[in-house]
Amino acid sequence: EVQVVESGGGLVKPGGSVRLSCAASGFSFSSYSMNWVRQAPGKGLEWVSSISSNTKYIYDAVSVRGRFTVSRDNAKNSLFLQMNSLRVEDTAIYYCARGGVGAQRNDVFDVWGQGTMVTVSS
Amino acid sequence: QSVLTQPPSASGTPGQRVTISCSGRSSNIGSNTVNWYQQLPGTAPKLLIYNNDHRPSGVPDRFSGSKSGTSASLAISWLQSEDETDYYCAVWDDSLNGWVFGGGTKLTVL
Repeated sequence: EVQVVESGGGLVKPGGSVRLSCAASGFSFSSYSMNWVRQAPGKGLEWVSSISSNTKYIYDAVSVRGRFTVSRDNAKNSLFLQMNSLRVEDTAIYYCARGGVGAQRNDVFDVWGQGTMVTVSS
Repeated sequence: QSVLTQPPSASGTPGQRVTISCSGRSSNIGSNTVNWYQQLPGTAPKLLIYNNDHRPSGVPDRFSGSKSGTSASLAISWLQSEDETDYYCAVWDDSLNGWVFGGGTKLTVL
């Protein structure tokens, strides 16, 4: 079964850090670009970050640039999101989503995890 | 405020046809293909339409997508009660070098 499973969320203080993980299975992880998408409570979807299959191309939303870093370990079929200098407005469910095998601009987010909740609060 | 503009709400009665619009600009919809996602309450989003007008396997043909210029639309024919949920459009933005989502449309089946 093709799936991705996120982990690592929790309660963090403003200014703190957390590292999210996404474990992929059932497909050739190293062939696909991957993405993080978040959703604040009661709000819409917001794309966060994208990483190409070979890590050569990384794109971030303006709202997280310089604070969040996406990475991947193709040998372990895993995607990560290092989140530093967290703000209250970063509180959201963070979803891992599979992209595609070509250019990231042509990605189709066709496989989503169940999400992991990050709460930033003092 | 989202880069892509969707109506916050839409409604229809069972059996009706409903359309949801997604308005953008030349740097996003005008240059790239649009995808649509459906999100049921408390669940992860699900791919509904990709590359403007393609349906993934398993998505009923009641759902269709189209694009013209800097706008896109999602149409749902033969509306059913289970269609009552949230819908989002998404597209790559060449100016932002990233993905943008519409603000989402909450569909109500009356």
